[in-house]
Amino acid sequence: DAKTTQPPSMDCAEGRAANLPCNHSTISGNEYVYWYRQIHSQGPQYIIHGLKNNETNEMASLIITEDRKSSTLILPHATLRDTAVYYCIVRVGTDYKLSFGAGTTVTVRA
Amino acid sequence: GAVVSQHPSRVICKSGTSVKIECRSLDFQATTMFWYRQFPKQSLMLMATSNEGSKATYEQGVEKDKFLINHASLTLSTLTVTSAHPEDSSFYICSARSPGAYGYTFGSGTRLTVV
Repeated sequence: DAKTTQPPSMDCAEGRAANLPCNHSTISGNEYVYWYRQIHSQGPQYIIHGLKNNETNEMASLIITEDRKSSTLILPHATLRDTAVYYCIVRVGTDYKLSFGAGTTVTVRA
Repeated sequence: GAVVSQHPSRVICKSGTSVKIECRSLDFQATTMFWYRQFPKQSLMLMATSNEGSKATYEQGVEKDKFLINHASLTLSTLTVTSAHPEDSSFYICSARSPGAYGYTFGSGTRLTVV
C-alpha cells in the first residue's frame, strides 16, 4: 500500500500562498492522490485529487511531480478559515479505501 | 455536490447501553460506505467498509460484534456500538464513495461520550 509522508505542522501568513508538500514514493501507476482537510471537530472536507496531471479548482491547485513520487497542494491566498489539518492520501489498492496518515496541521496567522 | 448526512452529531450514553449512528447519502446512491473513528489529537482510523446488501468488512483489530454495521439500502448505513464503555468514547465519522469529481464525501461526525 502506498504511504504518504507530510510535515507535521506549518504556519502561513494570511493572504499568502500556502504550499503543502507530500511524499508518496511507493505510489502505483493507477493510484490517485487525494487531499482532504479537517477543521476541528468536523468531518473531512474534500479539496482536490489527481492522477498525474496538475489540477486546479476553486479551492486549490495540486502539483504532481513527473515521477509521481511527490505532490504539493497550493492554497493560493490563505485565510484564517483555512486553519485545519490537511491530509494527503493515496487510495489503497482496488478496494477504494482511504487510509489517513497524520496530516499537516496548518495554522494561518493574521 | 454530493452530501452525506450523519446523525446524531452528539450523543451521551450510559456504560453498557447501545448507540446507533446513522449515515445517509442525500442525493446519490452509495453502494460502499466507510466508518472511521478518531480519538483526540489523532488521525482518522478506518474501522470498516460497509457494502450494500452484504456483510461489512472490518479492519484488523476492530471487533465486529461490538461495532455492528448494517447497510440495508443504497442511501443508509448504520453503525451500532453495542455495550458501550468509556473507552468507546470517540468521534465517529462515516464516508461514502460519491459520483463525480469528489470521489469520497464525509459526514460531519458523531461525538460519542460514554459515561
